[in-house]
Amino acid sequence: GENVEQHPSTLSVQEGDSAVIKCTYSDSASNYFPWYKQELGKGPQLIIDIRSNVGEKKDQRIAVTLNKTAKHFSLHITETQPEDSAVYFCAAKPPTGGSQGNLIFGKGTKLSVKP
Amino acid sequence: EAGVAQSPRYKIIEKRQSVAFWCNPISGHATLYWYQQILGQGPKLLIQFQNNGVVDDSQLPKDRFSAERLKGVDSTLKIQPAKLEDSAVYLCASSLGGASTKSEAFFGQGTRLTVV
Repeated sequence: GENVEQHPSTLSVQEGDSAVIKCTYSDSASNYFPWYKQELGKGPQLIIDIRSNVGEKKDQRIAVTLNKTAKHFSLHITETQPEDSAVYFCAAKPPTGGSQGNLIFGKGTKLSVKP
Repeated sequence: EAGVAQSPRYKIIEKRQSVAFWCNPISGHATLYWYQQILGQGPKLLIQFQNNGVVDDSQLPKDRFSAERLKGVDSTLKIQPAKLEDSAVYLCASSLGGASTKSEAFFGQGTRLTVV
């Protein structure tokens, strides 16, 4: 089955710097790759996603890139702010099952943005 | 729009006891999921419902876990009897459902279970 590896497990940056989180997946047939932000005591919240027919997607300070050949995708946050501090999860959707919720998650990256 | 509601927020039980969690998905969402999130890990899918039918329960430990979604709306997840390793946050999520590629999954705040 699908397996998702995520690195790094912790990341500390200075406010205003960029942060990059990387994930690899094992099933080349996976076709949907969302990123979730989870704040303490809350459920994961979708922040950006990308489908397998797209190489890059950007939404203000957040961007995601996908390399299908290498089976890896990355989250880029520019001009980081203290409120970006949270745990970020990448996920991949294997081809079985129709809905977006049947996801395989990475182990998460704890991002700390220092003022 | 109201989000996914879960209760209780916290639960502490002794091993071998039973516990139940409740989830009310976003109105109109046909698909409902239960995830288990162990501390320091990503969520792991336990079961997926489409309306009141089970789509995927391959990772549900059926000897102790059960879930139902009567009438295709609210859902309950039960553990009986609980083990120490069941300590985790149990997340409920819902989505519009079907094969739509635009169907984002929305998560509730979760129920934190501690088994002592």
